[in-house]
Amino acid sequence: GAVVSQHPSWVICKSGTSVKIECRSLDFQATTMFWYRQFPKQSLMLMATSNEGSKATYEQGVEKDKFLINHASLTLSTLTVTSAHPEDSSFYICSARVRGRGTEAFFGQGTRLTVV
Amino acid sequence: AQRVTQPEKLLSVFKGAPVELKCNYSYSGSPELFWYVQYSRQRLQLLLRHISRESIKGFTADLNKGETSFHLKKPFAQEEDSAMYYCALSETGGYNKLIFGAGTRLAVHP
Repeated sequence: GAVVSQHPSWVICKSGTSVKIECRSLDFQATTMFWYRQFPKQSLMLMATSNEGSKATYEQGVEKDKFLINHASLTLSTLTVTSAHPEDSSFYICSARVRGRGTEAFFGQGTRLTVV
Repeated sequence: AQRVTQPEKLLSVFKGAPVELKCNYSYSGSPELFWYVQYSRQRLQLLLRHISRESIKGFTADLNKGETSFHLKKPFAQEEDSAMYYCALSETGGYNKLIFGAGTRLAVHP
């Protein structure tokens, strides 16, 4: 159990367009969802935390209007990269905590975004 | 501010050698510490957490609050242990953020 599905696995888009990445918890309710960004050979940089029933809390330096996070339900969170630019190209990873299973986080497989 | 430091980017050992991956943290409260592992072409997965005090795949980690460390150890490395290891810290209040260290790549050679 505790599977997190992230879609798409990879996407290529043109500069100026918007891209939506979905993160679903398949067999559990997620009390908290995290969105991370990972640059090549670097660690996961926390972008935002979304707790159940609350809006996403963004980390310092992450533009809220650029990276729109919607925690639509306890099983779905979306990250929309608006007006994408080549510098937004990166690996985006979502993670979720399971209701009743404490603080362990389960990770999606990640989405490789390339903006051309 | 919360911070997780993994000083080594790469740790290269031979099979059967002991392994210690270092992790230090800074946090004003009482954090929860984890080690996550990422094998090649796989997603991140939990290896162990300090509150469990268990050994997973031969790995152990002890939380040392005095030294603010949570080093990962294994007495005899195996080739299948080769992976990327991330130390992570979870807040125990507030937004319950989960933040990661830079990661250490462990390479175990035959």
